[in-house]
Amino acid sequence: DQQVKQNSPSLSVQEGRISILNCDYTNSMFDYFLWYKKYPAEGPTFLISISSIKDKNEDGRFTVFLNKSAKHLSLHIVPSQPGDSAVYFCAASALANNDMRFGAGTRLTVKP
Amino acid sequence: DAGVIQSPRHEVTEMGQEVTLRCKPISGHNSLFWYRQTMMRGLELLIYFNNNVPIDDSGMPEDRFSAKMPNASFSTLKIQPSEPRDSAVYFCASSHRSSGANVLTFGAGSRLTVL
Repeated sequence: DQQVKQNSPSLSVQEGRISILNCDYTNSMFDYFLWYKKYPAEGPTFLISISSIKDKNEDGRFTVFLNKSAKHLSLHIVPSQPGDSAVYFCAASALANNDMRFGAGTRLTVKP
Repeated sequence: DAGVIQSPRHEVTEMGQEVTLRCKPISGHNSLFWYRQTMMRGLELLIYFNNNVPIDDSGMPEDRFSAKMPNASFSTLKIQPSEPRDSAVYFCASSHRSSGANVLTFGAGSRLTVL
């Protein structure tokens, strides 16, 4: 079963605008959430994370928002750059154990 | 550090053949994960190890799949016999499990094609 869902397989935005990628989860035991970025022919690389005790975490152009009651998180990229074009994976885990579940990914294309 | 090293990077084989994928985790990491990436299911967790011990293999699709971690620096994922539907990119990842957050470092992946 898909415990982490990314319902948008793709997203296209103009350079300089905001990119918003969404993720939903079903397991209420999840208390740590991450976003990974993946370029073709490479493995995913860690981008940003947030724990359930926060509702927002910011790192430069990247901000992750967490809505625990809705079991929803989002990644905002502002401003978007062509180099941000990649597949973005949402991931979730419970700190009590160690497994990490990923969504299906969203392919972001930033047009110049 | 060279990161997580996977081999082979590409494997093309015929249905029924045995396939062995290899992974060397980052030195000092005590958790290792095997994922499979497909278009339909994204990154699917197959199995993970803590301190070389398999913890959860519920994601392993069938008995045709097996994984071992004989020591802290090496793991294998074996498919026997292979089938065309096993074609996918297989990723290995490692992390240092502590009381805090768990961030995985991935290898570059092994692309498997079963004809």
